[in-house]
Amino acid sequence: GIQVEQSPPDLILQEGANSTLRCNFSDSVNNLQWFHQNPWGQLINLFYIPSGTKQNGRLSATTVATERYSLLYISSSQTTDSGVYFCAVERGTSYDKVIFGPGTSLSVIP
Amino acid sequence: DTGVSQNPRHKITKRGQNVTFRCDPISEHNRLYWYRQTLGQGPEFLTYFQNEAQLEKSRLLSDRFSAERPKGSFSTLEIQRTEQGDSAMYLCASSFEELRGYTLYNEQFFGPGTRLTVL
Repeated sequence: GIQVEQSPPDLILQEGANSTLRCNFSDSVNNLQWFHQNPWGQLINLFYIPSGTKQNGRLSATTVATERYSLLYISSSQTTDSGVYFCAVERGTSYDKVIFGPGTSLSVIP
Repeated sequence: DTGVSQNPRHKITKRGQNVTFRCDPISEHNRLYWYRQTLGQGPEFLTYFQNEAQLEKSRLLSDRFSAERPKGSFSTLEIQRTEQGDSAMYLCASSFEELRGYTLYNEQFFGPGTRLTVL
Protein backbone atom coordinates (compact mmCIF):
# COMPACT_ATOMS: atom_id res chain seq x y z
CA GLY A 1 0.00 0.00 0.00
CA ILE A 2 0.90 3.65 -0.13
CA GLN A 3 3.46 4.93 2.38
CA VAL A 4 3.26 8.40 3.93
CA GLU A 5 6.28 9.76 5.79
CA GLN A 6 6.69 12.97 7.72
CA SER A 7 9.81 14.74 8.87
CA PRO A 8 11.06 15.71 11.30
CA PRO A 9 9.24 13.53 13.85
CA ASP A 10 9.85 16.06 16.62
CA LEU A 11 10.69 19.74 16.57
CA ILE A 12 11.38 22.25 19.32
CA LEU A 13 11.33 25.92 18.36
CA GLN A 14 11.93 29.18 20.13
CA GLU A 15 8.95 31.48 19.82
CA GLY A 16 9.34 33.61 16.69
CA ALA A 17 11.34 31.05 14.75
CA ASN A 18 10.37 29.64 11.36
CA SER A 19 10.09 25.96 10.40
CA THR A 20 9.37 23.66 7.49
CA LEU A 21 7.57 20.33 7.87
CA ARG A 22 7.71 17.76 5.09
CA CYS A 23 5.33 15.03 3.92
CA ASN A 24 6.43 12.41 1.37
CA PHE A 25 4.07 9.90 -0.22
CA SER A 26 4.93 6.88 -2.30
CA ASP A 27 2.16 6.85 -4.90
CA SER A 28 -0.19 9.20 -6.72
CA VAL A 29 -3.07 10.55 -4.64
CA ASN A 30 -6.35 12.33 -5.25
CA ASN A 31 -5.86 14.94 -2.59
CA LEU A 32 -3.78 15.96 0.41
CA GLN A 33 -4.67 17.78 3.61
CA TRP A 34 -2.63 19.22 6.48
CA PHE A 35 -4.08 19.15 10.00
CA HIS A 36 -3.04 20.44 13.41
CA GLN A 37 -4.08 18.26 16.34
CA ASN A 38 -4.37 20.35 19.47
CA PRO A 39 -3.69 19.06 23.00
CA TRP A 40 -7.39 18.14 23.36
CA GLY A 41 -7.22 15.86 20.34
CA GLN A 42 -9.22 17.98 17.92
CA LEU A 43 -7.98 17.86 14.34
CA ILE A 44 -8.02 21.34 12.87
CA ASN A 45 -7.93 21.87 9.12
CA LEU A 46 -4.96 23.85 7.91
CA PHE A 47 -4.85 23.28 4.15
CA TYR A 48 -6.58 21.26 1.48
CA ILE A 49 -3.81 21.20 -1.09
CA PRO A 50 -3.65 18.43 -3.72
CA SER A 51 -1.26 20.63 -5.71
CA GLY A 52 0.13 24.14 -5.82
CA THR A 53 0.74 26.68 -3.07
CA LYS A 54 -1.61 28.25 -0.53
CA GLN A 55 -1.11 30.74 2.26
CA ASN A 56 -3.13 31.48 5.37
CA GLY A 57 -1.61 34.07 7.68
CA ARG A 58 1.66 32.77 9.11
CA LEU A 59 1.17 29.36 7.51
CA SER A 60 1.69 28.32 3.93
CA ALA A 61 1.84 25.00 2.12
CA THR A 62 3.14 23.69 -1.16
CA THR A 63 2.39 20.35 -2.78
CA VAL A 64 4.37 19.06 -5.74
CA ALA A 65 2.20 16.12 -6.76
CA THR A 66 4.50 14.97 -9.58
CA GLU A 67 7.36 14.59 -7.08
CA ARG A 68 5.10 13.23 -4.34
CA TYR A 69 5.79 15.63 -1.50
CA SER A 70 4.21 18.49 0.37
CA LEU A 71 5.72 21.15 2.63
CA LEU A 72 4.13 23.12 5.45
CA TYR A 73 5.81 26.39 6.42
CA ILE A 74 5.25 27.99 9.79
CA SER A 75 6.64 31.48 10.19
CA SER A 76 7.03 33.53 13.38
CA SER A 77 5.95 30.56 15.49
CA GLN A 78 3.81 31.08 18.59
CA THR A 79 3.27 28.86 21.63
CA THR A 80 -0.25 28.16 20.37
CA ASP A 81 1.29 26.45 17.33
CA SER A 82 2.39 23.58 19.60
CA GLY A 83 0.82 20.21 18.89
CA VAL A 84 1.05 17.50 16.29
CA TYR A 85 0.90 18.23 12.58
CA PHE A 86 -0.41 15.53 10.26
CA CYS A 87 -0.59 15.24 6.53
CA ALA A 88 -3.23 12.92 5.09
CA VAL A 89 -3.63 11.66 1.55
CA GLU A 90 -6.74 10.27 -0.08
CA ARG A 91 -6.69 7.73 -2.88
CA GLY A 92 -9.25 6.38 -5.28
CA THR A 93 -10.99 3.13 -4.59
CA SER A 94 -8.89 1.25 -2.07
CA TYR A 95 -9.13 -0.52 1.24
CA ASP A 96 -6.62 2.05 2.53
CA LYS A 97 -8.68 4.96 1.28
CA VAL A 98 -7.13 7.65 3.47
CA ILE A 99 -3.62 7.42 4.91
CA PHE A 100 -2.27 9.73 7.60
CA GLY A 101 1.41 10.27 8.13
CA PRO A 102 2.91 9.59 11.56
CA GLY A 103 2.92 13.29 12.40
CA THR A 104 5.42 15.95 13.46
CA SER A 105 5.25 16.90 17.12
CA LEU A 106 6.00 20.61 17.49
CA SER A 107 6.79 22.36 20.74
CA VAL A 108 7.17 26.13 20.69
CA ILE A 109 8.82 27.50 23.80
CA PRO A 110 8.67 31.14 24.99
CA ASP B 1 -23.70 24.90 11.27
CA THR B 2 -21.76 23.80 14.35
CA GLY B 3 -19.56 21.25 12.63
CA VAL B 4 -19.23 17.50 13.11
CA SER B 5 -20.46 16.24 16.46
CA GLN B 6 -19.81 12.91 18.16
CA ASN B 7 -21.45 11.24 21.13
CA PRO B 8 -20.55 10.17 23.68
CA ARG B 9 -17.26 11.97 24.14
CA HIS B 10 -16.00 9.34 26.55
CA LYS B 11 -16.98 5.72 27.06
CA ILE B 12 -15.65 3.26 29.62
CA THR B 13 -16.76 -0.32 29.25
CA LYS B 14 -15.82 -3.78 30.39
CA ARG B 15 -14.28 -6.33 28.07
CA GLY B 16 -16.92 -8.31 26.24
CA GLN B 17 -19.55 -5.58 26.25
CA ASN B 18 -20.96 -3.94 23.11
CA VAL B 19 -20.63 -0.22 22.51
CA THR B 20 -22.14 2.15 19.97
CA PHE B 21 -20.93 5.59 18.95
CA ARG B 22 -22.80 8.23 17.01
CA CYS B 23 -21.55 10.80 14.53
CA ASP B 24 -23.59 13.72 13.18
CA PRO B 25 -21.89 15.18 10.11
CA ILE B 26 -22.07 18.71 8.79
CA SER B 27 -25.45 19.01 7.11
CA GLU B 28 -25.48 18.42 3.35
CA HIS B 29 -22.15 16.58 3.50
CA ASN B 30 -22.43 13.48 1.36
CA ARG B 31 -19.39 11.62 2.70
CA LEU B 32 -18.74 10.34 6.20
CA TYR B 33 -15.56 8.67 7.43
CA TRP B 34 -14.63 6.72 10.57
CA TYR B 35 -11.08 6.55 11.94
CA ARG B 36 -9.35 5.10 14.99
CA GLN B 37 -6.40 6.79 16.67
CA THR B 38 -4.18 5.31 19.37
CA LEU B 39 -1.71 7.26 21.48
CA GLY B 40 1.24 8.60 19.53
CA GLN B 41 -0.10 7.48 16.16
CA GLY B 42 -1.89 9.14 13.29
CA PRO B 43 -5.55 8.34 12.66
CA GLU B 44 -6.19 5.02 10.88
CA PHE B 45 -8.95 4.82 8.28
CA LEU B 46 -11.72 2.34 9.14
CA THR B 47 -14.56 2.90 6.68
CA TYR B 48 -16.48 5.54 4.76
CA PHE B 49 -19.93 6.23 3.34
CA GLN B 50 -21.11 8.02 0.24
CA ASN B 51 -24.61 9.07 1.30
CA GLU B 52 -26.06 5.87 2.83
CA ALA B 53 -23.80 3.44 0.96
CA GLN B 54 -20.76 2.01 2.74
CA LEU B 55 -18.12 2.03 0.00
CA GLU B 56 -14.84 0.96 1.56
CA LYS B 57 -13.71 -0.90 4.65
CA SER B 58 -10.17 -1.14 5.89
CA ARG B 59 -8.51 -4.48 6.41
CA LEU B 60 -8.13 -3.28 10.02
CA LEU B 61 -11.88 -3.51 10.50
CA SER B 62 -12.64 -6.84 12.14
CA ASP B 63 -16.03 -8.56 11.98
CA ARG B 64 -16.79 -7.18 15.45
CA PHE B 65 -17.05 -3.69 13.97
CA SER B 66 -20.09 -2.55 12.04
CA ALA B 67 -21.09 0.87 10.79
CA GLU B 68 -24.32 2.24 9.41
CA ARG B 69 -25.52 5.49 7.95
CA PRO B 70 -29.29 5.22 7.58
CA LYS B 71 -30.83 7.76 5.22
CA GLY B 72 -27.41 9.24 4.58
CA SER B 73 -27.47 11.47 7.65
CA PHE B 74 -25.94 10.49 11.01
CA SER B 75 -23.81 7.36 11.35
CA THR B 76 -23.25 4.80 14.09
CA LEU B 77 -20.21 2.64 14.74
CA GLU B 78 -20.79 -0.46 16.85
CA ILE B 79 -18.12 -2.63 18.40
CA GLN B 80 -19.29 -6.01 19.62
CA ARG B 81 -17.52 -8.04 22.30
CA THR B 82 -15.02 -5.30 23.03
CA GLU B 83 -11.40 -6.18 23.72
CA GLN B 84 -8.75 -4.17 25.53
CA GLY B 85 -7.04 -3.58 22.19
CA ASP B 86 -10.10 -1.61 21.06
CA SER B 87 -9.21 1.17 23.50
CA ALA B 88 -8.60 4.22 21.32
CA MET B 89 -10.02 7.52 20.13
CA TYR B 90 -12.67 7.00 17.46
CA LEU B 91 -12.90 9.92 15.06
CA CYS B 92 -15.55 10.83 12.55
CA ALA B 93 -15.13 13.19 9.61
CA SER B 94 -17.45 14.45 6.91
CA SER B 95 -16.99 16.09 3.54
CA PHE B 96 -18.89 17.26 0.50
CA GLU B 97 -17.36 15.75 -2.59
CA GLU B 98 -17.96 17.90 -5.65
CA LEU B 99 -16.47 18.61 -9.01
CA ARG B 100 -14.99 22.10 -9.24
CA GLY B 101 -14.01 22.68 -12.83
CA TYR B 102 -11.86 19.68 -13.68
CA THR B 103 -10.90 19.00 -10.06
CA LEU B 104 -12.65 16.74 -7.56
CA TYR B 105 -12.85 18.62 -4.26
CA ASN B 106 -13.25 16.64 -1.03
CA GLU B 107 -12.06 18.43 2.13
CA GLN B 108 -12.69 16.47 5.33
CA PHE B 109 -13.74 18.07 8.64
CA PHE B 110 -13.31 16.15 11.86
CA GLY B 111 -15.41 15.81 14.97
CA PRO B 112 -13.97 15.90 18.53
CA GLY B 113 -13.85 12.11 18.79
CA THR B 114 -15.09 9.49 21.24
CA ARG B 115 -12.49 8.13 23.62
CA LEU B 116 -13.11 4.46 24.40
CA THR B 117 -11.51 2.70 27.35
CA VAL B 118 -12.02 -1.05 27.65
CA LEU B 119 -11.23 -2.42 31.10
